[in-house]
Amino acid sequence: DAGVTQSPTHLIKTRGQQVTLRCSPKSGHDTVSWYQQALGQGPQFIFQYYEEEERQRGNFPDRFSGHQFPNYSSELNVNALLLGDSALYLCASSPARFTDTQYFGPGTRLTVL
Amino acid sequence: AQSVTQPDIHITVSEGASLELRCNYSYGATPYLFWYVQSPGQGLQLLLKYFSGDTLVQGIKGFEAEFKRSQSSFNLRKPSVHWSDAAEYFCAVDSTSGTYKYIFGTGTRLKVLA
Repeated sequence: DAGVTQSPTHLIKTRGQQVTLRCSPKSGHDTVSWYQQALGQGPQFIFQYYEEEERQRGNFPDRFSGHQFPNYSSELNVNALLLGDSALYLCASSPARFTDTQYFGPGTRLTVL
Repeated sequence: AQSVTQPDIHITVSEGASLELRCNYSYGATPYLFWYVQSPGQGLQLLLKYFSGDTLVQGIKGFEAEFKRSQSSFNLRKPSVHWSDAAEYFCAVDSTSGTYKYIFGTGTRLKVLA
């Protein structure tokens, strides 16, 4: 049984560009959350998707948007990239919206030059 | 505002020695508390969690944590550290209990000496 998978593993972009990161949840999971982890910091909650809708959002600007597909996979989109967006982006899935355990993927390392 | 503090950025212990990683939180109500471990190139793995009940929680890999309401702490312990425990450890609180919108601490990096 595959766990949470994310693609790509690494990505390099330049300021002002747009990026899309992808996440496939663990089998049987329908809720996906995204986190940003800057170097030397703990992960920060970006938003959570359930039933193809954004249900909760952290303190991130509208440049950060997402989508959830009928198969529960999810995308994170970041527009107008800034140098400060360089980070590890983690996806986590859980078997239901209000459940006690999130399973994290290995992350996508985004570098903005 | 809710917050999680891990006062030790780095900790070094010898293999076989005991370990305690500190975590303090600031939260208005009884929080849901978690400890995660992150190895290089890996995602976060849940070690243990506390929601209610017994304040001493057992987790995977021989870890345990104790919730102390009076001290707003949730320290992680292990009686005998193995070299494979070297990793970064994160304490997290569910910012609004039951919604799983985590607030993470800044992490403690554990180094294990052979």
